[in-house]
Amino acid sequence: AQSVTQPDIHITVSEGASLELRCNYSYGATPYLFWYVQSPGQGLQLLLKYFSGDTLVQGIKGFEAEFKRSQSSFNLRKPSVHWSDAAEYFCAVVSMEYGNKLVFGAGTILRVKS
Amino acid sequence: NAGVTQTPKFQVLKTGQSMTLQCAQDMNHNSMYWYRQDPGMGLRLIYYSASEGTTDKGEVPNGYNVSRLNKREFSLRLESAAPSQTSVYFCASSVRGGRIRETQYFGPGTRLLVL
Repeated sequence: AQSVTQPDIHITVSEGASLELRCNYSYGATPYLFWYVQSPGQGLQLLLKYFSGDTLVQGIKGFEAEFKRSQSSFNLRKPSVHWSDAAEYFCAVVSMEYGNKLVFGAGTILRVKS
Repeated sequence: NAGVTQTPKFQVLKTGQSMTLQCAQDMNHNSMYWYRQDPGMGLRLIYYSASEGTTDKGEVPNGYNVSRLNKREFSLRLESAAPSQTSVYFCASSVRGGRIRETQYFGPGTRLLVL
């Protein structure tokens, strides 16, 4: 079965510093990958997605992610973090079970120090 | 265009009570999903509806029922709530489930506490 691992439960960075959130997936075929962000008390907002093609994907709010098949990774990056980026971030992969459900990682909570 | 909406936002139930969580989307999507979110576990699929008139179990369906009332609305019912059902519930929709290259759009969630 497909799975997604986000090794870091919490990450704290200073405002203006760079950010990298890790995501590893387990999937036999070509994965279709997503990053979602959840601000406190809010729903999930799509940041970016990878279906095929260029392995460096640009998203909203200045985020990008790089797909590396050899490492089974899809890490999320941002060059300069803003205080408003504090939220929980979820990596997800499409599973062919259950009508193409999304399999989510456990999430990484990002705290931003001013 | 409100996207995916959910009601209520918060609910407190006593063990054994029943309730229905409502979800509606105005994007003319065919497929709709109910997930639950628990700390440290991400989101898990409860039920989904690939199209109007069809519903199917997801990975954690026990204790829940669903109704796809029409193309817009997909409700989740707890017949006899248990403390283990304390969670945040998210509804999502997509253009047409079954196509793997498809984005799901999420509602704001319903926070449920079962005492």
